[in-house]
Amino acid sequence: GAGVSQSPSNKVTEKGKDVELRCDPISGHTALYWYRQSLGQGLEFLIYFQGNSAPDKSGLPSDRFSAERTGGSVSTLTIQRTQQEDSAVYLCASSLGTAYYNEQFFGPGTRLTVL
Amino acid sequence: KQEVTQIPAALSVPEGENLVLNCSFTDSAIYNLQWFRQDPGKGLTSLLLIQSSQREQTSGRLNASLDKSSGRSTLYIAASQPGDSATYLCAVSNFGNEKLTFGTGTRLTIIP
Repeated sequence: GAGVSQSPSNKVTEKGKDVELRCDPISGHTALYWYRQSLGQGLEFLIYFQGNSAPDKSGLPSDRFSAERTGGSVSTLTIQRTQQEDSAVYLCASSLGTAYYNEQFFGPGTRLTVL
Repeated sequence: KQEVTQIPAALSVPEGENLVLNCSFTDSAIYNLQWFRQDPGKGLTSLLLIQSSQREQTSGRLNASLDKSSGRSTLYIAASQPGDSATYLCAVSNFGNEKLTFGTGTRLTIIP
């Protein structure tokens, strides 16, 4: 596709349920990033993939959060036993190589609401 | 730890005026700085990326400058239009890691 796509665009879930968020990066982009945007915290980094490896998971807030990337393309962010504080917009970005010399391009985000 | 600040948090200007948005960062060991715009309920649109070795970048009515030693960047918007109304975010990429550290943004309103 022309840009980064994410699905679903909106997700409402009950506290304690698991959710999966999907990201399709721009074709050919080897680097993929997940960020979270919430009212109180602004935009925060979660995890970075280079190919299928995740050399930086430092932003994941707890062990309830995990992510994987397969085939060097699609990535899934999984949140187990969701809590109300997980409510936020989850943004995915991709870039051609590393962030050092390349722009990050963002998807439209998934708005997660935990009731 | 890198901290990025954007002042003011909100700005309203009449259509047609030129304006400047400010971004400051505490750690000058950066690879690059990127400016984005975000429309309500939407993702981020990349506007300009400035490498650490560069001093400015231009795209249409937008001009971004970078003074790495003082930890500052500005985004200049010429001849503002109502369609420029959005939140503008700056973000930096530091040596040694891949993530972007974002400022809190400036919400810009152009008054017709």
